[in-house]
Amino acid sequence: EVQLQQSGPELRRPGSSVKLSCKASGYSITDYLMHWVKHRPEHGLEWIGWIDPEDGETKYAQKFQSKATLTADTSSNTAYMQLSSLTSEDTATYFCAMDGGLGVMDAWGQGASVTVSS
Amino acid sequence: DVVLTQTPSTLSATIGQSVSISCRSSQSLLDSAGNTYLYWYLQRPGQSPQLLIYLVSNLGSGVPNRFSGSGSGTDFTLKISGVEAEDLGVYYCMQATHAYTFGAGTKLELK
Repeated sequence: EVQLQQSGPELRRPGSSVKLSCKASGYSITDYLMHWVKHRPEHGLEWIGWIDPEDGETKYAQKFQSKATLTADTSSNTAYMQLSSLTSEDTATYFCAMDGGLGVMDAWGQGASVTVSS
Repeated sequence: DVVLTQTPSTLSATIGQSVSISCRSSQSLLDSAGNTYLYWYLQRPGQSPQLLIYLVSNLGSGVPNRFSGSGSGTDFTLKISGVEAEDLGVYYCMQATHAYTFGAGTKLELK
């Protein structure tokens, strides 16, 4: 069974950074792309980008080009997303999602909450 | 960027009622290979999104057949034939023909 286990809630000061993890089980992360999605209740879902863990290739939504950095560690079967220069606008829940092919995000992590506050 | 416009933003339904959600794209989602990368997801309160429909009209694994998707080009529809209590939440369309974009969501609530 495919499972994505995300790291726990984070509280950060404005201007700092945070690194979230997404550990996959039930498959090798090198087999599929991994997406990251931002959720704020008043803004809905926003696609941040994807990483191909096999070769490290990444693609970002223009809005998140300088905000997010996606990486992957194949030895631990884990994907990561670092968010930098945090502001209150980055307060959200972030999901990782496996792309099973054809752009289908058919397995999701439970979400990781990030709160940015002074 | 491709903009997906969902209507209505809120939908009130009774159990057993059939409802539809519209998703209109600012550009055609048909690619040069003849594929249309349009999906529907449901996010129940406090949960992760789950796939309902992929490539316009294909039912995701384990998704009840009261859900159906249709459309082409720029106009797409999700239909629920007989709403059940477990269907309440926010529905999102998403496109992956031109990078990835989500619609703003349609909240389905009980009348």
